[in-house]
Amino acid sequence: NAGVTQTPKFQVLKTGQSMTLQCAQDMNHNSMYWYRQDPGMGLRLIYYSASEGTTDKGEVPNGYNVSRLNKREFSLRLESAAPSQTSVYFCASSELTFTRSPLHFGNGTRLTVT
Amino acid sequence: EDQVTQSPEALRLQEGESSSLNCSYTVSGLRGLFWYRQDPGKGPEFLFTLYSAGEEKEKERLKATLTKKESFLHITAPKPEDSATYLCAVQAPGNQFYFGTGTSLTVIP
Repeated sequence: NAGVTQTPKFQVLKTGQSMTLQCAQDMNHNSMYWYRQDPGMGLRLIYYSASEGTTDKGEVPNGYNVSRLNKREFSLRLESAAPSQTSVYFCASSELTFTRSPLHFGNGTRLTVT
Repeated sequence: EDQVTQSPEALRLQEGESSSLNCSYTVSGLRGLFWYRQDPGKGPEFLFTLYSAGEEKEKERLKATLTKKESFLHITAPKPEDSATYLCAVQAPGNQFYFGTGTSLTVIP
């Protein structure tokens, strides 16, 4: 039981390059989330998917797109990376069926944009 | 505006020196308050969920409590392996989670 798995663990991009961050969960959770974590700012929600087939914007969606490929997988795409997108990105999942269910996080992707 | 504030930002304790971390919130219609532990280079690890004022949860040397406006994470006789950043998050109606910026705890042997 791996929980939430993110790939890659580290990535360096040049400004303007694109990339996709991958996330998969094996807990049969309905909801999945993408957060970014920056020093002094805490975790901020980029996009989330309440259930398979739906996605919604969070607090900081500009410059990102997402795809809920199936119940297990939720990817985050940067179409044209900018230095402001240098951050640590965390994917999380939760069981929406049960209210008040906690988020379960992956170990993050550390992205640097030069 | 919904807000979660954690204090102190950083805390250094001697091994065995008990203390408390604070999480205050202004979220309306709280669905739950969550405590997480985050080690360097890792994702947050779930510790506790608290649902209503007066509720308490315990795990080893950690005890979490909840009032109508804040939560405390009490650490009793901490050990060096308790060193980590502790995050607080609240869940509002609509399933949104709001995170605090965390308290970085260092326990010195």
